[in-house]
Amino acid sequence: DAEITQSPRHKITETGRQVTLACHQTWNHNNMFWYRQDLGHGLRLIHYSYGVQDTNKGEVSDGYSVSRSNTEDLPLTLESAASSQTSVYFCASSFSDSPGELFFGEGSRLTVL
Amino acid sequence: AQTVTQSQPEMSVQEAETVTLSCTYDTSESNYYLFWYKQPPSRQMILVIRQEAYKQQNATENRFSVNFQKAAKSFSLKISDSQLGDTAMYFCAFMRGVNDYKLSFGAGTTVTVRA
Repeated sequence: DAEITQSPRHKITETGRQVTLACHQTWNHNNMFWYRQDLGHGLRLIHYSYGVQDTNKGEVSDGYSVSRSNTEDLPLTLESAASSQTSVYFCASSFSDSPGELFFGEGSRLTVL
Repeated sequence: AQTVTQSQPEMSVQEAETVTLSCTYDTSESNYYLFWYKQPPSRQMILVIRQEAYKQQNATENRFSVNFQKAAKSFSLKISDSQLGDTAMYFCAFMRGVNDYKLSFGAGTTVTVRA
């Protein structure tokens, strides 16, 4: 079955370290998204991509970067982790032909000490 | 970013009863989509229901239905005959029209169904 997987599921890191969260989907979806979930804020969009070599900033993109070198993967990099980036991160993907039907990964819980 | 507001952080409902979740949004667009997503305690988010703004008829999916009031920019979700498996956090979301596939989410409403 097609799926979307995130790794690692849990990570603890220290302030200032670089961290990369992986996202891999096997639906061949053209659209991919990274959100962070924090209590009281719901899900906030970090970065998104509508195809290979396409990346765009979301509403909370400072301190994060993504790259899209193939259809299946959209890794999220925290260049220098900060305590404010402690959160649960969700990757999602969708087909343009089915507007707004996002398929979510199980989430990656990141703690920055 | 579009603003999506869910004013009820938590709601509790008895099994088999009905609960209604509120959502308001702010946009100047005339064509857009609205959604309700469910996040069960296991955390994988799933789409519950979708409404296209140009459609006057309210969307329904089994026990889930919406009340879409375009002029009031209101989009509520009604869960009928609540079941224990409906216990989850519910998010209202907005998407602009053509060629813009990103969603803006509200803060969420935690629904607890009591046995």
